[in-house]
Amino acid sequence: AQTVTQSQPEMSVQEAETVTLSCTYDTSESDYYLFWYKQPPSRQMILVIRQEAYKQQNATENRFSVNFQKAAKSFSLKISDSQLGDAAMYFCAYWRAQYNFNKFYFGSGTKLNVKP
Amino acid sequence: DAGVTQSPTHLIKTRGQQVTLRCSPKSGHDTVSWYQQALGQGPQFIFQYYEEEERQRGNFPDRFSGHQFPNYSSELNVNALLLGDSALYLCASSFFETMNTEAFFGQGTRLTVV
Repeated sequence: AQTVTQSQPEMSVQEAETVTLSCTYDTSESDYYLFWYKQPPSRQMILVIRQEAYKQQNATENRFSVNFQKAAKSFSLKISDSQLGDAAMYFCAYWRAQYNFNKFYFGSGTKLNVKP
Repeated sequence: DAGVTQSPTHLIKTRGQQVTLRCSPKSGHDTVSWYQQALGQGPQFIFQYYEEEERQRGNFPDRFSGHQFPNYSSELNVNALLLGDSALYLCASSFFETMNTEAFFGQGTRLTVV
């Protein structure tokens, strides 16, 4: 079974600085997607960034970028120029790309605190 | 576009009771998935509905059941509630033909069982 591990329950970063959240996963599949979701106190899961496993190039979305190491099964999220609004729970998720068999496997989350 | 809407936002039930949670998918989406998020944990997959049928199911007992209507909206039913069913229940909608790789989540229903 697929598992997703986030080993940092909580992280803190100073406003305007950079922070990296770690995620590892276990799978025997070669075709899958990886995601980072943000969950603020409003509870809604908001997509931060998505990476397709067959793409070697790391995904970037403005201040958010990932370091995808397929062989090591590692998928870390880097947040640059941290802002107060970045404070939230961050979940790493794995998605197996196959018809009739697709669902998210989530990690346990990392709580990110941003200090002014 | 209203996005994914869930109702109610909060609910308190007594152990042994039954509860129904509702989800309206994002416009254009035809697949609805339900997740349970216990306090301090990541969401766990309950089941997925497409074409009014349960297509996949996670490791949840039969007390958890669902339904999808012709307009793609969905209900999650939980019978014989246990204290351990207290959690945030999230609905995610997506489009089947894209293998559901772009899912949108609702704000969830916070269920408290006392």
